[in-house]
Amino acid sequence: AQRVTQPEKLLSVFKGAPVELKCNYSYSGSPELFWYVQYSRQRLQLLLRHISRESIKGFTADLNKGETSFHLKKPFAQEEDSAMYYCALSGSARQLTFGSGTQLTVLP
Amino acid sequence: KAGVTQTPRYLIKTRGQQVTLSCSPISGHRSVSWYQQTPGQGLQFLFEYFSETQRNKGNFPGRFSGRQFSNSRSEMNVSTLELGDSALYLCASSIAGNADTQYFGPGTRLTVL
Repeated sequence: AQRVTQPEKLLSVFKGAPVELKCNYSYSGSPELFWYVQYSRQRLQLLLRHISRESIKGFTADLNKGETSFHLKKPFAQEEDSAMYYCALSGSARQLTFGSGTQLTVLP
Repeated sequence: KAGVTQTPRYLIKTRGQQVTLSCSPISGHRSVSWYQQTPGQGLQFLFEYFSETQRNKGNFPGRFSGRQFSNSRSEMNVSTLELGDSALYLCASSIAGNADTQYFGPGTRLTVL
């Protein structure tokens, strides 16, 4: 079975502060991991995926197979980063499993 | 390129009725996946269709079914509605499947009274 855990339902940081959204997964094989984001009144959309190893809107995420984690990080949070963030995993079953999400609020 | 569209956007039904939701994927996308989103359970995978074939199914009862047409448009059907079926139903399309970038629609909000 595949499982994704996002331990924080809510996370608040001040503008300019670093932010880290935690994601842990459970999967016996080699997973594909994603971060999806939903801004207020917008659709759920892909933020980044681990295989592309790119930085999107200043966010990065590194897959740590030893710790089975895929935490999302940004060194300096902006108010426009306030959104709901979902970590997701796709395994051999080609079934996308989402975490419960973290609501990030960046305070001015 | 037009995005994923879902119709209707809102539905109110009563227990025992059935409902059909529709999803039109992005042109050229052959995979359509359906998800149920609720406050308690979050986003849960329902099923995925690719080239008119159900390729994957989540852990939902048989009351939930779907199909895909030759133009990749997809429908999902829920029969004998229960109160717990009240949810936002999201459709996502991709070129080839769940390991690809999923493009989500706005969702259909189903309320069962």
